[in-house]
Order: sequence, then C-alpha cells, then structure tokens
Amino acid sequence: ETGVTQSPTHLIKTRGQQVTLRCSSQSGHNTVSWYQQALGQGPQFIFQYYREEENGRGNFPPRFSGLQFPNYSSELNVNALELDDSALYLCASSLGQGASTLNTGELFFGEGSRLTVL
Amino acid sequence: GENVEQHPSTLSVQEGDSAVIKCTYSDSASNYFPWYKQELGKRPQLIIDIRSNVGEKKDQRIAVTLNKTAKHFSLHITETQPEDSAVYFCAAIPANQGGKLIFGQGTELSVKP
Repeated sequence: ETGVTQSPTHLIKTRGQQVTLRCSSQSGHNTVSWYQQALGQGPQFIFQYYREEENGRGNFPPRFSGLQFPNYSSELNVNALELDDSALYLCASSLGQGASTLNTGELFFGEGSRLTVL
Repeated sequence: GENVEQHPSTLSVQEGDSAVIKCTYSDSASNYFPWYKQELGKRPQLIIDIRSNVGEKKDQRIAVTLNKTAKHFSLHITETQPEDSAVYFCAAIPANQGGKLIFGQGTELSVKP
C-alpha cells in the first residue's frame, strides 16, 4: 500500500507567478483535501475533491484552484502568487462516502510542498 | 462556522510526567475529533481520534476524552518520553462537511530527559 506523495517538495517563486502542486493519493482512497500551513500555525482547509468534483471549499480566493484526475491524484494551482502564500501545502487523502455525506474517515497526509514566494 | 481553540500553546514536562492538551469547539454538530502529531519538517500524523458517540478512548500511553455538553476534548499523554516532543494539533470536522478538518493552533510539547 503506497502512501500519499507530493511534488515538488520545495520550490521558490516570485510574486505574480503561478504554481502547480501535485498529489498522489493513498492506494484505494478516492478523496483528496488540500491544506495550507503557515509557519507556526495549524493547517487551514483549502478545498476537497471527491470523484473529480470540488466538494467543499475553505476561505481561500478563486486564484486557488484544483483538479482531481480519474486515478484520484490531484493538483493545486495558485495564480498571481502573493508573499503571504508562502507556506507548507499539505495534501491529505481519505476514503469518502459520497459527495453529500459526511466523511469522517481518517485523513492521511503527505509530506507537503514548501512554497516560498519572494 | 466551526472554530477550534487549543491550549496551551507550549508545554514543557519532565520525562515520565503526564501532559494534557485541551481543545474547545464551537459547532455542537461536529462529530469527529482527531489529534495529530507533527514533528519538525514532517507531515501531521494521526495519533488518536474520537467520535461523538464515545466519551473516552485510550491507546497505550495516549487517551482522549470528549465532553459534548461542554464542547471540549482533551489529549492525555502519560509516562512522557523525549520522543513525544513535537507539535500536537487537535481538530474537528463540522457537520456535513466531510474531510474539512478545522485545526487548533497547535501545542508545542517539550519532554525534558
């Protein structure tokens, strides 16, 4: 059974640029959630994807967008990068029970992608 | 929306002592409360969780208690060891928002040998 993998592990961008982060979910998991963790803070929910559709979104602007692919892997895209976007971006996978039903399954986190915006 | 408050922000104990971290939540309909341990530069790892139909759960040296009436839950670590040193996060899932974990601010636990 493979765990959650994320790429790249580290990257540096400048303000205004765009970035794409990638996540492969744990084998058998159909739901992927993305979190932003600023230094010294708890992770903050960005959005979740279930069966290729966005299924819940946190308080993040539209320049944060995502995709989920048929193999349940996912991408997080951030446009027009700002300095405050510097953070650790965590992907978590779980086994969902339906887009409209409560998923209280355990979340398995990847090691994260550390983004620095200069 | 759901809000999770966590205390203390830092906690220092001697090896062998117990450590207690407390969290409160605002959404009475929340029904899943996991605790994560995050070592420096590493991913958050689930150490224990509790669902709203249970008042207490124990796994070796770790236990979690839940008081639904008061809307608070606590993590108890007994016989602490230096390898327990890490940042601990509590979290809650709001009602009908599966997968959307709302995290507390974290507690940095330091266990001194």
